[in-house]
Amino acid sequence: DVKVTQSSRYLVKRTGEKVFLECVQDMDHENMFWYRQDPGLGLRLIYFSYDVKMKEKGDIPEGYSVSREKKERFSLILESASTNQTSMYLCASNDEPGLNNEQFFGPGTRLTVL
Amino acid sequence: QKEVEQNSGPLSVPEGAIASLNCTYSDRGSQSFFWYRQYSGKSPELIMSIYSNGDKEDGRFTAQLNKASQYVSLLIRDSQPSDSATYLCAVNDDYKLSFGAGTTVTVRA
Repeated sequence: DVKVTQSSRYLVKRTGEKVFLECVQDMDHENMFWYRQDPGLGLRLIYFSYDVKMKEKGDIPEGYSVSREKKERFSLILESASTNQTSMYLCASNDEPGLNNEQFFGPGTRLTVL
Repeated sequence: QKEVEQNSGPLSVPEGAIASLNCTYSDRGSQSFFWYRQYSGKSPELIMSIYSNGDKEDGRFTAQLNKASQYVSLLIRDSQPSDSATYLCAVNDDYKLSFGAGTTVTVRA
């Protein structure tokens, strides 16, 4: 079974803090994704990576950066957290894109910025 | 970003009834379509994928795809309280998936 893990289930930070969210997958997947999920807005893609050290902006990259130094690990960084970044953050991974590019999700990190 | 629209819900159905969820998408070139189920406080899990026009059945779930009309639907037969969740429609977009906002289904006993 594919396993995607995230470093924290719940996180509380203060405005202006630098925040690191870690994601690890154990299936040697090529692609990894970071989403945020807010009520009524669904899943919105922040960044994704299709290879080590490669990254692509998603739909809402402002205020975020990412790092992928190893294939299994994809980190989301909030350089200076703001209250509007309070959200559920979901990491996902999948293999080479093709007809079946199902994504496997981690358990999520609920981040609160005070 | 490709647009994916779902009927907003919430959808309330009695136990044993059929729940019908609809999804439309903007890109006529899309080839892969997915339905994810998300329980409250949990992450999405895949329940159905469909790539060809027509119906695909898996247990109590049936996905229907009509590429000409650009819609995909999910039917849940014999709905159970355990089916109460938010259902997300997703459409492939190169490496990515574009998700709808989700439809919340409540199955009442």
